Amino acid sequence: GQNIDQPTEMTATEGAIVQINCTYQTSGFNGLFWYQQHAGEAPTFLSYNVLDGLEEKGRFSSFLSRSKGYSYLLLKELQMKDSASYLCAVRDRNAGNMLTFGGGTRLMVKP
Amino acid sequence: KAGVTQTPRYLIKTRGQQVTLSCSPISGHRSVSWYQQTPGQGLQFLFEYFSETQRNKGNFPGRFSGRQFSNSRSEMNVSTLELGDSALYLCASSLPLSGVATMNTEAFFGQGTRLTVV
Repeated sequence: GQNIDQPTEMTATEGAIVQINCTYQTSGFNGLFWYQQHAGEAPTFLSYNVLDGLEEKGRFSSFLSRSKGYSYLLLKELQMKDSASYLCAVRDRNAGNMLTFGGGTRLMVKP
Repeated sequence: KAGVTQTPRYLIKTRGQQVTLSCSPISGHRSVSWYQQTPGQGLQFLFEYFSETQRNKGNFPGRFSGRQFSNSRSEMNVSTLELGDSALYLCASSLPLSGVATMNTEAFFGQGTRLTVV
């Protein structure tokens, strides 16, 4: 099976930087995804990592270390609209490439 | 192109009834997955269908079932509804994936069906 852990809640200030961590245990790692989900809406894709290193996409970056089973999502220049839940998800090739989600991190951005 | 469409958006059912939810994937996507989302449990995987066959199944009782049609549209059914089945049911479609992932094959989610069991 898989175990995906991320903090339940985080609070940050508008304009600041926040890092949301995700640790996972899986037998056949085949990619890690970050999704953003605003209250009452569908999750939307943010980033994808399958190789070690940093992937940058505008204000959002995602990092992966496969040896450590660790990823983080970095949000820069925080805006109020970034208040949402951030979901870490892992594909496992030994589980039919099923996508398993962590519990999500609810981020509150304050003025 | 059109996104993932789920119907209905909202549903209220009584305990013991059964319900069918529908999902139309993005054109060209043949893999459809279903998830249950509740405040306490987060996103829980129900099952995945590809080419009309169930490819993966999560840890849900047999009351939860699904199917996929030749046009890739999918339905899920929950029989003998319980209060605890109240949740947001999300469908996601993606390109089929096999072997080692060398490309981004993210899942695109529909808006979900909010099911309330009373």
